[in-house]
Amino acid sequence: GAVVSQHPSWVICKSGTSVKIECRSLDFQATTMFWYRQFPKQSLMLMATSNEGSKATYEQGVEKDKFLINHASLTLSTLTVTSAHPEDSSFYICSAMRPGEASEQFFGPGTRLTVL
Amino acid sequence: GQNIDQPTEMTATEGAIVQINCTYQTSGFNGLFWYQQHAGEAPTFLSYNVLDGLEEKGRFSSFLSRSKGYSYLLLKELQMKDSASYLCAVKDSNYQLIWGAGTKLIIKP
Repeated sequence: GAVVSQHPSWVICKSGTSVKIECRSLDFQATTMFWYRQFPKQSLMLMATSNEGSKATYEQGVEKDKFLINHASLTLSTLTVTSAHPEDSSFYICSAMRPGEASEQFFGPGTRLTVL
Repeated sequence: GQNIDQPTEMTATEGAIVQINCTYQTSGFNGLFWYQQHAGEAPTFLSYNVLDGLEEKGRFSSFLSRSKGYSYLLLKELQMKDSASYLCAVKDSNYQLIWGAGTKLIIKP
């Protein structure tokens, strides 16, 4: 299988600060990565699709200026939550697809964000 | 609109068999996935169906009927560690994954 890592696994920050979450594909090159958010007892919600070398595609209702996504290389995508507020506290999960495969997404272990 | 329906919660006994159903209405179909998610962890891949029929993988099997927009995940010889949420997801015509809300499976001794 393919391995996707996320860093940090958890973070606590003060309201108003920015937090960067990294998603890396460790043993394959990922042209497409996805960022999800999951609130307690709810399903995954796709936030945006990140394509290497181009701007991310955001889902309806997701503020692109608040959730900055950068996919600068084939193995790294970053999500920056800017000016975080308590309502941004959630479980953020990234996933990646191998090029040419229209099937399985490989998930990172997730990042638990708590904004005080 | 696009919709994935699965039961919110199910309870089963250790050693028994349980079937988790999933019905879907999506714009196009490019495969159906089942994922397992333990509390506080990311989903892990269980199965992928793109053609009608049953796919068996150890204690887990997944069935698909495209004409009925229906799938089920069958778990046999249930173990306590199978207590988790099971997520059904369909890839639509744009190859975007549409997720169900998940079924929380509780295994009792």
